[in-house]
Amino acid sequence: GQQVMQIPQYQHVQEGEDFTTYCNSSTTLSNIQWYKQRPGGHPVFLIQLVKSGEVKKQKRLTFQFGEAKKNSSLHITATQTTDVGTYFCAGQGAQKLVFGQGTRLTINP
Amino acid sequence: DAGITQSPRHKVTETGTPVTLRCHQTENHRYMYWYRQDPGHGLRLIHYSYGVKDTDKGEVSDGYSVSRSKTEDFLLTLESATSSQTSVYFCAISEAGLAAYEQYFGPGTRLTVT
Repeated sequence: GQQVMQIPQYQHVQEGEDFTTYCNSSTTLSNIQWYKQRPGGHPVFLIQLVKSGEVKKQKRLTFQFGEAKKNSSLHITATQTTDVGTYFCAGQGAQKLVFGQGTRLTINP
Repeated sequence: DAGITQSPRHKVTETGTPVTLRCHQTENHRYMYWYRQDPGHGLRLIHYSYGVKDTDKGEVSDGYSVSRSKTEDFLLTLESATSSQTSVYFCAISEAGLAAYEQYFGPGTRLTVT
């Protein structure tokens, strides 16, 4: 079945450093969504990308969808302690939304 | 936050006992989902519903059943709980479609099977 792989599994950075997580699918995706889960919380929707090569920005967060619609990335510029949490990508394949394993971001203030 | 509640929020149960988790929404969304979250596995879909009495299996449905008799309620039942079902269970809702629309998640239920 469809698989969505996300790397790295963990990332620890100093506050102010940049952070990137990558998402790769075994199949072409119709769209991809990104979610953030704070420690002890529930996943919260961040954004959806639909078009090949699409790039969207939300303040310090930049989301990209690959040209082949099989990969995506989330880049955070100048991390802040409020960015701590686990970031999940979720890709739509044939019919279902499949989540990556997530990247847990911790930050040293 | 979307109007989604889950009950109970925490439960400890013994192997072999049946367990029912409840998800309640006040958004009148058509689609409802049950996921389990385990370290290293992200969120995995157990079952979903696309309307009252309309449900389908997800990728990890063995040992679970669901029911939806009203738009606002989606129940997840572990027919005979096993230790491998120890997990955090999240309910989610969406306005339409499985992935065309964002999903809103409930606060989660932490289930421990001893």
